[in-house]
Amino acid sequence: EAQVTQNPRYLITVTGKKLTVTCSQNMNHEYMSWYRQDPGLGLRQIYYSMNVEVTDKGDVPEGYKVSRKEKRNFPLILESPSPNQTSLYFCASSINRGADTEAFFGQGTRLTVV
Amino acid sequence: GENVEQHPSTLSVQEGDSAVIKCTYSDSASNYFPWYKQELGKGPQLIIDIRSNVGEKKDQRIAVTLNKTAKHFSLHITETQPEDSAVYFCAPSSSGSARQLTFGSGTQLTVLP
Repeated sequence: EAQVTQNPRYLITVTGKKLTVTCSQNMNHEYMSWYRQDPGLGLRQIYYSMNVEVTDKGDVPEGYKVSRKEKRNFPLILESPSPNQTSLYFCASSINRGADTEAFFGQGTRLTVV
Repeated sequence: GENVEQHPSTLSVQEGDSAVIKCTYSDSASNYFPWYKQELGKGPQLIIDIRSNVGEKKDQRIAVTLNKTAKHFSLHITETQPEDSAVYFCAPSSSGSARQLTFGSGTQLTVLP
């Protein structure tokens, strides 16, 4: 089954403790991205990657890192999480770099930073 | 960058009635206009999209209409059913953009039985 898989689904952590949210897709998509979803703000892009070893900032990149060492994986790293990073996070992938292609989303990761 | 406004933010309709959600955008280069549906506890999923060379597209009970001159497009759902209850997002974009979608703030649709 074609899908985008995120782990974990839920995470509660403390301020400053490094964490990684994993994302994997099995559709051989070139394009992957991370979004955060907050009430009243819709989904905002954090980082995106057009292919292996090619990443760039989205609208809200501060406090986040990403890497793309393999085509299928695109982990999101919070080196020193803060309470304002409490949010619902989604990973997405698309077949190519164009913004006019369907994005496939993971199930989401609800992160709480205390 | 693209400035996207979506209205209304919440919408309640009786089962069987129609629902319309409007999305206004700012970038005249936008040429792709999708609508995503997000059910509770899930990620958004594409339900319908339209490109700028087409004014309207229908898929069973859902349709999207585009007014490029006025820079807005709308999602129409007819004969609404309880399973249509969800959050809907528009995400206008340009095929020339390397960045992915700019989402509207979402519309919570509730279909009352």
